[in-house]
Amino acid sequence: AQSVTQLDSQVPVFEEAPVELRCNYSSSVSVYLFWYVQYPNQGLQLLLKYLSGSTLVESINGFEAEFNKSQTSFHLRKPSVHISDTAEYFCAVSDQLGFQKLVFGTGTRLLVSP
Amino acid sequence: GAGVSQSPSNKVTEKGKDVELRCDPISGHTALYWYRQSLGQGLEFLIYFQGNSAPDKSGLPSDRFSAERTGGSVSTLTIQRTQQEDSAVYLCASSLVIGELFFGEGSRLTVL
Repeated sequence: AQSVTQLDSQVPVFEEAPVELRCNYSSSVSVYLFWYVQYPNQGLQLLLKYLSGSTLVESINGFEAEFNKSQTSFHLRKPSVHISDTAEYFCAVSDQLGFQKLVFGTGTRLLVSP
Repeated sequence: GAGVSQSPSNKVTEKGKDVELRCDPISGHTALYWYRQSLGQGLEFLIYFQGNSAPDKSGLPSDRFSAERTGGSVSTLTIQRTQQEDSAVYLCASSLVIGELFFGEGSRLTVL
């Protein structure tokens, strides 16, 4: 069975600083990887995904994540954060054996201050 | 509407009572998920329906929890003899593409 570890429960940063939110996964088979975001008082929404091909994937709002198979990681990065990026970020994994359940990490709360 | 709809949005019940939570997925989505979100616990997988296949119930915490999906569309999550530890936000999501889940706003359950 798959599992996801997000070691940082909260990451405080200043506006315009770079940020990295860590995600490590465990699985005995090949996986698909995802980052979801939950803005304050809103529902969860997909931020970006890795299914195959290029190991570096990007979102429309400047986040990127890199799939590293050897380190079983899928860290989320942004070179310069905005106040509006304040949210909870969840990493998730699904194995590649057809439609399978999506397992989420415990989330990382990103707090961006001026 | 076009999104995932959940009802009720808020439910307060007494310990020992049964509750039913409803989910209307996006039309045409073949997969439907139930998760539970508690403070500090992240999203806990409960159950997953995919088309006409047998559901994956591996996340249900006890036999007090059950779910069904009728006609491949609407789903109901039932919690019998509620306990205080069942208090959480119950999230439903539907999907057509691998991993691209569309979540509802959730049903907040409070057990007194």
